Amino acid sequence: GDSVTQMEGPVTLSEEAFLTINCTYTATGYPSLFWYVQYPGEGLQLLLKATKADDKGSNKGFEATYRKETTSFHLEKGSVQVSDSAVYFCALSRHPTGANSKLTFGKGITLSVRP
Amino acid sequence: DAGVIQSPRHEVTEMGQEVTLRCKPISGHDYLFWYRQTMMRGLELLIYFNNNVPIDDSGMPEDRFSAKMPNASFSTLKIQPSEPRDSAVYFCASSSSGGGANEQFFGPGTRLTVL
Repeated sequence: GDSVTQMEGPVTLSEEAFLTINCTYTATGYPSLFWYVQYPGEGLQLLLKATKADDKGSNKGFEATYRKETTSFHLEKGSVQVSDSAVYFCALSRHPTGANSKLTFGKGITLSVRP
Repeated sequence: DAGVIQSPRHEVTEMGQEVTLRCKPISGHDYLFWYRQTMMRGLELLIYFNNNVPIDDSGMPEDRFSAKMPNASFSTLKIQPSEPRDSAVYFCASSSSGGGANEQFFGPGTRLTVL
């Protein structure tokens, strides 16, 4: 079945450091890929998405590129801020619309940014 | 527009009691999802509905759990009888089949503690 694998955490960085969070997936067909972020005490919210190979999703300085050849969707940010401290989830949807619209999530990784 | 609304935000109950969690999806959304989040198991999809009809309840842990969606603007998740291992944060999310790449909008969650 479908699965999403995220790198083990937690991750602790100093402010302005470069961030990479790895995500790989297993799915048939051509899934859509997502990164969700969960701030303390809140629900998940969509950070960025990509719907086809070589698409790059971007938002709030974060970027991720859909790499079908390596089945990856790694999240990057050039300079993290304390306010980026949160839990980050990689997810896929095998059918963007229609009868099967559920998301498969990775386990999530906690990012802590020190001032 | 209001986002997904969940109530209560916190619930503390004793083992054996009935617990009912409530969710109001975003108006116009035709998919509704119930998730459970724990440290040990991460984010788990329990059940989801399309146009008020349950589509996949394979994630519901056992018969003590039940979910209903009597109309497009309301859903409940009931646990009867509750057990300490049910302690978790329960999220409701909604999405629209006309919304492109299947973005789900999450509520703030209900933190359930079963003593």
